[in-house]
Amino acid sequence: KQEVTQIPAALSVPEGENLVLNCSFTDSAIYNLQWFRQDPGKGLTSLLLIQSSQREQTSGRLNASLDKSSGRSTLYIAASQPGDSATYLCAASPSGAGSYQLTFGKGTKLSVIP
Amino acid sequence: DGGITQSPKYLFRKEGQNVTLSCEQNLNHDAMYWYRQDPGQGLRLIYYSQIVNDFQKGDIAEGYSVSREKKESFPLTVTSAQKNPTAFYLCASSIGRTPQHFGDGTRLSIL
Repeated sequence: KQEVTQIPAALSVPEGENLVLNCSFTDSAIYNLQWFRQDPGKGLTSLLLIQSSQREQTSGRLNASLDKSSGRSTLYIAASQPGDSATYLCAASPSGAGSYQLTFGKGTKLSVIP
Repeated sequence: DGGITQSPKYLFRKEGQNVTLSCEQNLNHDAMYWYRQDPGQGLRLIYYSQIVNDFQKGDIAEGYSVSREKKESFPLTVTSAQKNPTAFYLCASSIGRTPQHFGDGTRLSIL
């Protein structure tokens, strides 16, 4: 059974710093890997989705990488801002026809200090 | 704008009572999902539906029921058999098999 781990559980950085969030998964047979943002009391917003055949995806100040062989993904945030403060979740989608079940990590709570 | 609407935002359940959480989408997505989120835990899948009139159990379906009579709607009923219903419930939808669009959630508590 797939397990997804995110370390650290919480991270606090000063504004302007570049940072990396980590996600590891136990089963490399994934269809894709997705990073989400969750603000307190809100739903999830999809940030980046990396297909299994891709190595990275970029959107603005965000860059996500995927290394299936090592079971790792990272989310890089450049020039962090207080508005980036939120919980970041990664989720792995299994390979195999018709499989709809994402496995989520517990998230990393990011605080960006002005 | 297209999106997913969950209602109500807050819901309280009495002992022995069934309650229904609403999820409506106007994205024309075929697949819809219900997740449960508990503090300090990842999201867990309750039920999902790939098409109208069809749905499958997820990892924690016991004590819950769903229906999918319309493409736009996927209501979740939390039955009295669910002994620990207090949680944040999230509905999602997708065109393919990877949910990317989520509602803003319903927080359910026990009175």
